[in-house]
Amino acid sequence: GDSVTQMEGPVTLSEEAFLTINCTYTATGYPSLFWYVQYPGEGLQLLLKATKADDKGSNKGFEATYRKETTSFHLEKGSVQVSDSAVYFCALATNFGNEKLTFGTGTRLTIIP
Amino acid sequence: DGGITQSPKYLFRKEGQNVTLSCEQNLNHDAMYWYRQDPGQGLRLIYYSQIVNDFQKGDIAEGYSVSREKKESFPLTVTSAQKNPTAFYLCASSIVWGSQETQYFGPGTRLLVL
Repeated sequence: GDSVTQMEGPVTLSEEAFLTINCTYTATGYPSLFWYVQYPGEGLQLLLKATKADDKGSNKGFEATYRKETTSFHLEKGSVQVSDSAVYFCALATNFGNEKLTFGTGTRLTIIP
Repeated sequence: DGGITQSPKYLFRKEGQNVTLSCEQNLNHDAMYWYRQDPGQGLRLIYYSQIVNDFQKGDIAEGYSVSREKKESFPLTVTSAQKNPTAFYLCASSIVWGSQETQYFGPGTRLLVL
C-alpha cells in the first residue's frame, strides 16, 4: 500500500538557519505530493504541493521538488524564523480518482531566537 | 469568510457514553473527511463522504459512525465501542472527490476520556 516516511523529529534550529525535512514515499501510479503545516492547537494548513515529477511547490519561502527517481519530496527553507515553529506533515494522494490522503507521522520543528 | 468549523474545541466522554463531534463547512464542497491524530502517528482516516447521503469507511472506522444528511454538515459519533477514543479529531473537505484537489482542514476537537 501507499506510505510516506518522514524524518523523525523533533528538529531544533536557530533563527536564520537552513531547514531540510526529508520525505520519501511509496505509491502505485503517479501520486500528487503535499506538505501541510500544523501550528499549536490548530488544524492543518496546506503549505505547498506538486502534482507531477520535477514540479517544484513553493510558498512562504518553503520549497519542495517532486523527485520521481528518488521518490522524495524534501521540504527546504533558506532562513527559518521563530514563527515557522510547527509540526510539518508530508502527504500523498494517488492518481486513481481517489481523494484519500496518506500522511507521514509529522516532524516537529522548533526555532529558537 | 468561507471555512470549516468544528465544535466543541474540547470534549469529555465518560465510560460507556456516545459523543458527537460537529463539523460544518460553508465552502460548498462535495467531499468531507474525518481524521484522527495521535502523537507520533500522523493522521489516520476514519470516514469520508463523497457526496450527500453517501459515506465510506476509512482505515480505522471501528467504533465510529457518521451521517451526511446535508452538504455542509458531517458529524462524527464516537461510540462506546471505541475503546481508546482520546485523540485530536480533524474534519476536512475538498471541492470534489477524485480530482486531487486540496483538502481544507478545520481547527480540530480534542476528545478526552474521564
